[in-house]
Amino acid sequence: EDKVVQSPLSLVVHEGDTVTLNCSYEVTNFRSLLWYKQEKKAPTFLFMLTSSGIEKKSGRLSSILDKKELSSILNITATQTGDSAIYLCAVEGGAGGTSYGKLTFGQGTILTVHP
Amino acid sequence: DGGITQSPKYLFRKEGQNVTLSCEQNLNHDAMYWYRQDPGQGLRLIYYSQIVNDFQKGDIAEGYSVSREKKESFPLTVTSAQKNPTAFYLCASTLFPGAIDTQYFGPGTRLTVL
Repeated sequence: EDKVVQSPLSLVVHEGDTVTLNCSYEVTNFRSLLWYKQEKKAPTFLFMLTSSGIEKKSGRLSSILDKKELSSILNITATQTGDSAIYLCAVEGGAGGTSYGKLTFGQGTILTVHP
Repeated sequence: DGGITQSPKYLFRKEGQNVTLSCEQNLNHDAMYWYRQDPGQGLRLIYYSQIVNDFQKGDIAEGYSVSREKKESFPLTVTSAQKNPTAFYLCASTLFPGAIDTQYFGPGTRLTVL
């Protein structure tokens, strides 16, 4: 069974702190790993990672994939209250011939940033 | 403006009733997806459709049914066979099945069984 596990499940920090969120996976026919931010309703896309060791960066957020360790991390530096959200990791893949676009999600990490 | 609309925003259902959640997109996307989200959990895939008139079961399809008669529409029916239907339901679409980084999510429907 395909599985994606995120840690920690929740995290409380103060503004200015740096956080690292973890995602590990066991998914057959791995295609890509994606990170999303979910504030109230619909998740919004952050990163898509397909190659190991290549960091993707967007402002204060960055992410990297380690295919050998079957894991990824999401880093947020100089956190702000607006970063408070649920961060979801998802892996595209799965058994069978129709794994394109099929995502398995982790439980999410609830990040709370206090002023 | 292009996007995905889901209706209704909130839905209440009595036990034993079937209900249908609407999902419409005007993005000209080929693939559409239905997810369920429970508190403290990530999204779980219910059904997905890569092309009109075709759909596949996801990880938790039991108690649900879908149709894809038009490219723009992918309604989800929650049947009385679904034991714990109270959840947040999200519809999504991608330009084509492999373009997962183009995935748009709708605003969601919160279903509560009374």
